[in-house]
Amino acid sequence: EDQVTQSPEALRLQEGESSSLNCSYTVSGLRGLFWYRQDPGKGPEFLFTLYSAGEEKEKERLKATLTKKESFLHITAPKPEDSATYLCAVGDAGGTSYGKLTFGQGTILTVHP
Amino acid sequence: GAVVSQHPSRVICKSGTSVKIECRSLDFQATTMFWYRQFPKQSLMLMATSNEGSKATYEQGVEKDKFLINHASLTLSTLTVTSAHPEDSSFYICSARDKTYEQYFGPGTRLTVT
Repeated sequence: EDQVTQSPEALRLQEGESSSLNCSYTVSGLRGLFWYRQDPGKGPEFLFTLYSAGEEKEKERLKATLTKKESFLHITAPKPEDSATYLCAVGDAGGTSYGKLTFGQGTILTVHP
Repeated sequence: GAVVSQHPSRVICKSGTSVKIECRSLDFQATTMFWYRQFPKQSLMLMATSNEGSKATYEQGVEKDKFLINHASLTLSTLTVTSAHPEDSSFYICSARDKTYEQYFGPGTRLTVT
């Protein structure tokens, strides 16, 4: 059974204080590691997909990296508008539900001005 | 690109009635759509996977007769909550997968059953 564990559960930062969110995963055959951002009362917003160990992707203040066991979402000089819940999910290459994602519990990020 | 819409965004219904939620991919064709349920301060739980033109695949513990899913076209999937009860109150979110395997989510539907 696929498992995704995110840490920490909650993270409070001062504006400009860089940090990283962790996503550890166990999957029989990885078909993508996905990062989403979710604001309260809204659906998740797609951020990145990483497919192989060593891959990195960047978008504004966010950078996602991937190893064989975990992924990191690095936030550089965050701003209050980066406050949200960040969700990590893995896609399984096997099984009958092609494209099915397994989500972690999320990290609630709060950036104080 | 890759926009998914849901309708309605909020719905309040009385216990025992049925509610239909629509999910549309607006600028791409989605052969596969997914339906999730999210409780307050919890992550997304997959309810079912629907492929265009075929029966939905439900996750363990999800009642097929209560949550009816129809994926009638490459841009539309519907979730009908039949004989709704207060415990069905939740945030329902759909997603659509494009040909690159990435999933894009709708804005969600808040269902309240009184």
